Amino acid sequence: EAGVTQSPTHLIKTRGQQATLRCSPISGHTSVYWYQQALGLGLQFLLWYDEGEERNRGNFPPRFSGRQFPNYSSELNVNALELEDSALYLCASSFHKGAIETQYFGPGTRLLVL
Amino acid sequence: AQSVTQLGSHVSVSEGALVLLRCNYSSSVPPYLFWYVQYPNQGLQLLLKYTSAATLVKGINGFDAEFLKSETSFHLTKPSAHMSDAAEYFCAVNIGFGNEKLTFGTGTRLTIIP
Repeated sequence: EAGVTQSPTHLIKTRGQQATLRCSPISGHTSVYWYQQALGLGLQFLLWYDEGEERNRGNFPPRFSGRQFPNYSSELNVNALELEDSALYLCASSFHKGAIETQYFGPGTRLLVL
Repeated sequence: AQSVTQLGSHVSVSEGALVLLRCNYSSSVPPYLFWYVQYPNQGLQLLLKYTSAATLVKGINGFDAEFLKSETSFHLTKPSAHMSDAAEYFCAVNIGFGNEKLTFGTGTRLTIIP
């Protein structure tokens, strides 16, 4: 069974540009989560989508947004990129919503903002 | 609200020695607790999780963890370290109730000394 996949693996942008990151969950999983792993800041929760709806978001500005498609894949958009947005962005999926559910992580997209 | 504290950002042990990685949590409701491992340039892999079924949880790769409510702890142990255990380890908590997100500790980098 294929795991969570993310694309691209690496992305280089300049300040002010927009970045789009993509995530395909494990087949059958309906919940998708996005996390940011920035140097010195650790792993921080960004967004949670379940059944096509945004269910929860972390303490990030509105220029971080996303969506979940009918096939449960997801897209994270970061507008007006800033240097501090440089980080590893991890996507995770779970079979159902619920704190007991295991979140399975993809390999991440490394975003570098110049 | 929930939080996780990992004591020791770096831990070094000799090959064959006991591994003990510390994690303390704070939660206003009964938590679900997780340990993940991250190898260089990879995503997160689940080692084990506590779901209230049993206080002693057995995970993959020979790792165990014990949930101690009295001490609000969920320390990770392995009786005998192997070189392949060198990685970064993250403890995380999820409380659910519509707030399904993993709140991570700052991580512990484990180094194995030959």
